[in-house]
Amino acid sequence: EVQLVESGGNLVQPGRSLRLSCTASGFTFGNFAMHWVRQVPGKGLEWVAGITWKSGSTGYADSVKGRFTISRDNAKNSLHLQMNSLRVEDTALYYCAKDGSGYDFDYFDQWGQGTLVTVSS
Amino acid sequence: SYELTQPPSVSVSPGQTARITCSGDGLPKKFAHWYQQKSGQAPVLVIFEDSRRPSGIPERFSGSSSGTMATLIISGAQAEDEGDYYCYSADSTTNHKGVFGGGTKLTVL
Repeated sequence: EVQLVESGGNLVQPGRSLRLSCTASGFTFGNFAMHWVRQVPGKGLEWVAGITWKSGSTGYADSVKGRFTISRDNAKNSLHLQMNSLRVEDTALYYCAKDGSGYDFDYFDQWGQGTLVTVSS
Repeated sequence: SYELTQPPSVSVSPGQTARITCSGDGLPKKFAHWYQQKSGQAPVLVIFEDSRRPSGIPERFSGSSSGTMATLIISGAQAEDEGDYYCYSADSTTNHKGVFGGGTKLTVL
């Protein structure tokens, strides 16, 4: 059974940093691209960032480009999102999602339950 | 920036066919994928690559795409199908970037 477990969410002040992690199990992690998707409570889904299977390529939403960095450690079956210069509008539930493809960004076939990030003074 | 447009809400009676549309200029070149999200739960993939259904998804869910519009079809909608539905596609103008539609709330009553 595929499992994706996010961690690292917290209350943080504007301008500070936070690092999210996602631990994967139940599939060959290194064979698939991975993503972060966020959702403001009560609002829609927003794709945040993605990374291909061997970290050859990454992509970011315009709203986070230059502030967030996605990375992965295939040896530890883990995905990370380093979030710097956080803004109030980054407040959301952050989901880790597994891609159906390895070398490209395709669709998300498995999701975690999310970790909540709150940016507030 | 690339956008996908969905109607905010769709209502159907039980047993009727629900159609949820998603429009975007890049859809002739990129697949549309559909997610169902029920209150308090993570999204679930219900259709991928325009019309393919993952294992475990009921046959009443289907999808189609033509030109700049993709459509999620729920034939014989049931009360358990209520929730929010999102289309998703890759940005056709930039590699390695994705976008969701704004979401459609499906009411079955």
